[in-house]
Amino acid sequence: QVQLVQSGAEVKKPGSSVKVSCKASGGTFSSYAISWVRQAPGQGLEWMGRIIPILGIANYAQKFQGRVTITADKSTSTAYMELSSLRSEDTAVYYCARDRSTTVVTWFDPWGQGTLVTVSS
Amino acid sequence: EIVLTQSPGTLSLSPGERATLSCRASQSVSSSYLAWYQQKPGQAPRLLIYGASSRATGIPDRFSGSGSGTDFTLTISRLEPEDFAVYYCQRGKTFGPGTKVDIK
Repeated sequence: QVQLVQSGAEVKKPGSSVKVSCKASGGTFSSYAISWVRQAPGQGLEWMGRIIPILGIANYAQKFQGRVTITADKSTSTAYMELSSLRSEDTAVYYCARDRSTTVVTWFDPWGQGTLVTVSS
Repeated sequence: EIVLTQSPGTLSLSPGERATLSCRASQSVSSSYLAWYQQKPGQAPRLLIYGASSRATGIPDRFSGSGSGTDFTLTISRLEPEDFAVYYCQRGKTFGPGTKVDIK
């Protein structure tokens, strides 16, 4: 049973970057995709992008193109999401989630516990 | 880009009642990739239904999904106290805005 464990909460200044990690345990990391989804306070879910660890190929939602970088380290079964040029609107809980397919985005299961990123001066 | 619309925004019901949640897509989508999630405050979303009608592992059979084309439904046959939460539909990279099921 795959479990995803994320890094802890972060407080960042506007204009800086944040890097959140997502470590998989209990299953095969590379055979699936890992997506990142964020949720602003009191808001819905927003897909940011995903990576196929076995290929090292990432693709991103247009909204985040140029600001987000998703990477994966197969040796440690860990995925990373780095968001740059942070602004207050990026304050949100960031989730990683496994997507069973490497070809198309299907559904997400399981999810990490979430990482709160607060952007404040 | 497909847009998912969920209705109602809030559903106020009592334990034991039946809940019917709607998810409508802006264009016809394959039901193969339509999913539903439950989210409780302070928790990550949990997959309930995938492929429009298949229950995820460990999900009670009071949860059922149906639909095709542009119209999909999540039904909770008899609400338990732990079912009061927000429910999201998802297809591909798009999530619906959610339906909150709260206690009447």
